[in-house]
Amino acid sequence: RKEVEQDPGPFNVPEGATVAFNCTYSNSASQSFFWYRQDCRKEPKLLMSVYSSGNEDGRFTAQLNRASQYISLLIRDSKLSDSATYLCVVNFNTGGFKTIFGAGTRLFVKA
Amino acid sequence: NAGVTQTPKFQVLKTGQSMTLQCAQDMNHNSMYWYRQDPGMGLRLIYYSASEGTTDKGEVPNGYNVSRLNKREFSLRLESAAPSQTSVYFCASSEDWGLGYEQYFGPGTRLTVT
Repeated sequence: RKEVEQDPGPFNVPEGATVAFNCTYSNSASQSFFWYRQDCRKEPKLLMSVYSSGNEDGRFTAQLNRASQYISLLIRDSKLSDSATYLCVVNFNTGGFKTIFGAGTRLFVKA
Repeated sequence: NAGVTQTPKFQVLKTGQSMTLQCAQDMNHNSMYWYRQDPGMGLRLIYYSASEGTTDKGEVPNGYNVSRLNKREFSLRLESAAPSQTSVYFCASSEDWGLGYEQYFGPGTRLTVT
């Protein structure tokens, strides 16, 4: 089992739709979590951190479920410009700090 | 500020050739990283430098070497390129080493080994 798993998609949604992605992780010692966004043939950029209590940034909401070991990203009122690949990132420290990137979920928002 | 810069942007090598990928950051970050990204796989850490003067192996170090030249620069060397090293290579930096630090990425180097 991969340490971090994401549904590769693609998710095809119309403008204005709400879409959600999950990311599961296998290491229960995981301590910090992020969502990055990667546009086609570009570098990843931080979208948002994921806090234990959940957090929101405009149309984006990130949540953490430690009991089931997954994080989620909800995008409301999708825009064409949201089309990208979304990478989840899990950090843990088990005798050494380790960062694991998920393979990403592709999102296409259509007009 | 340019952030993280990488050279070259594209490179084609023949099997057995060597090359060095250059990376520099102007954010005064302590930690720097080299990743490779292959289709269907997440970014995989090749080597990292937690602070100037230190380097450590990541998940996939075989076939690579690194040099932390100074606080700004971190280079990745392929001594004898193999087709399995065809990939997109990203350099990244973070303010410090440990949990919770955002990583800033360079634009990437697309390497093809024939």
